[in-house]
Amino acid sequence: GDSVTQMEGPVTLSEEAFLTINCTYTATGYPSLFWYVQYPGEGLQLLLKATKADDKGSNKGFEATYRKETTSFHLEKGSVQVSDSAVYFCALTNAGGTSYGKLTFGQGTILTVHP
Amino acid sequence: DTEVTQTPKHLVMGMTNKKSLKCEQHMGHRAMYWYKQKAKKPPELMFVYSYEKLSINESVPSRFSPECPNSSLLNLHLHALQPEDSALYLCASSLGRAFQETQYFGPGTRLLVL
Repeated sequence: GDSVTQMEGPVTLSEEAFLTINCTYTATGYPSLFWYVQYPGEGLQLLLKATKADDKGSNKGFEATYRKETTSFHLEKGSVQVSDSAVYFCALTNAGGTSYGKLTFGQGTILTVHP
Repeated sequence: DTEVTQTPKHLVMGMTNKKSLKCEQHMGHRAMYWYKQKAKKPPELMFVYSYEKLSINESVPSRFSPECPNSSLLNLHLHALQPEDSALYLCASSLGRAFQETQYFGPGTRLLVL
């Protein structure tokens, strides 16, 4: 079945540092890829998405490129802020299923940014 | 507007109580979802409704009973829960037209079962 693997955390950075959170996936067909962010005590927010190979999703300074050849969707940000401290989930949906709703998540990466 | 609302925000219940969680969206979405999330874990899918019909039940115990009265509203009825059911319950919705569409999540209901 489909699976998503994220780099192990937690990740601790200083403000203005460069961020990379690695995400690789296993899926048949042509999945759509997502990054969700969960701030402390809140639900999940869609951060960015990409629906086909070589698409780049971007939002709030975060970027990720859908790389089919390496089955990856790494999240990057050039300069993190304290307010970026949260849990980041990589996820996919796949048309290979029999009905809607099978969002497959990675295990999540906890990011802490210090001033 | 991509807002999904959930009430209540917090809920404490005993093992003999009956309670309900409510989820609402006004985006015209026709697919709605319930997820359960334990601390430091990704969400786990429980149920999917498509056009007000239950399309996926991920082998959830019968003490959880979903209901979709109309296209904007999704309920989760709780009865005789166990302490291990304590978790964050998240509702999500999507357009309901394709397998790979984006799901939008609500803020969740944090449930504590005593």
